[in-house]
Amino acid sequence: NAGVTQTPKFQVLKTGQSMTLQCAQDMNHNSMYWYRQDPGMGLRLIYYSASEGTTDKGEVPNGYNVSRLNKREFSLRLESAAPSQTSVYFCASSEGTANYGYTFGSGTRLTVV
Amino acid sequence: AQSVTQPDIHITVSEGASLELRCNYSYGATPYLFWYVQSPGQGLQLLLKYFSGDTLVQGIKGFEAEFKRSQSSFNLRKPSVHWSDAAEYFCAVGAGSGGYNKLIFGAGTRLAVHP
Repeated sequence: NAGVTQTPKFQVLKTGQSMTLQCAQDMNHNSMYWYRQDPGMGLRLIYYSASEGTTDKGEVPNGYNVSRLNKREFSLRLESAAPSQTSVYFCASSEGTANYGYTFGSGTRLTVV
Repeated sequence: AQSVTQPDIHITVSEGASLELRCNYSYGATPYLFWYVQSPGQGLQLLLKYFSGDTLVQGIKGFEAEFKRSQSSFNLRKPSVHWSDAAEYFCAVGAGSGGYNKLIFGAGTRLAVHP
């Protein structure tokens, strides 16, 4: 079982470039999430999708957009990358609400220069 | 607002010693509490979770955690640490208006294990 798959694993962008981080889960989970991880700050929620067709802002949504393409896929887009978006990005999914707990992907390490 | 505090940024223990990682939460209702572990360069893996019932919960890899409502705490323990336990540990609380829509994470505690 693949679980949650994130692509790419590493990426270097120049300031102002755009890119999309891809996330797919094969567990038939309803909810999906995007977090960023920065040293000393833990994981902060960017956006989440409680079900197919819905998305909501999290704690740090500025500079990002998301698309819940279908039940399996939830992408995160940076329209104009900034150095402050240098981070490790994690996608996660849960069967229902968050109290079920999450299954995490292995992360995307993004550097914006 | 819901929040999670992990007071210890770094902890170092000797292999075979006991371990306790602290977690305090702020949440108005009955919390759903979790501990996750992250090995270097990896994603997060669920160690254990508390929803209700017995306040002492058992998890994988020999870990346990105790929920203490009076202290708003959910501390993680292990009686004898192994070198492979060196990792970063995150406490999280399930939160969100109208339901438990998301997890809020603490800043993490990095555990080093001396041989």
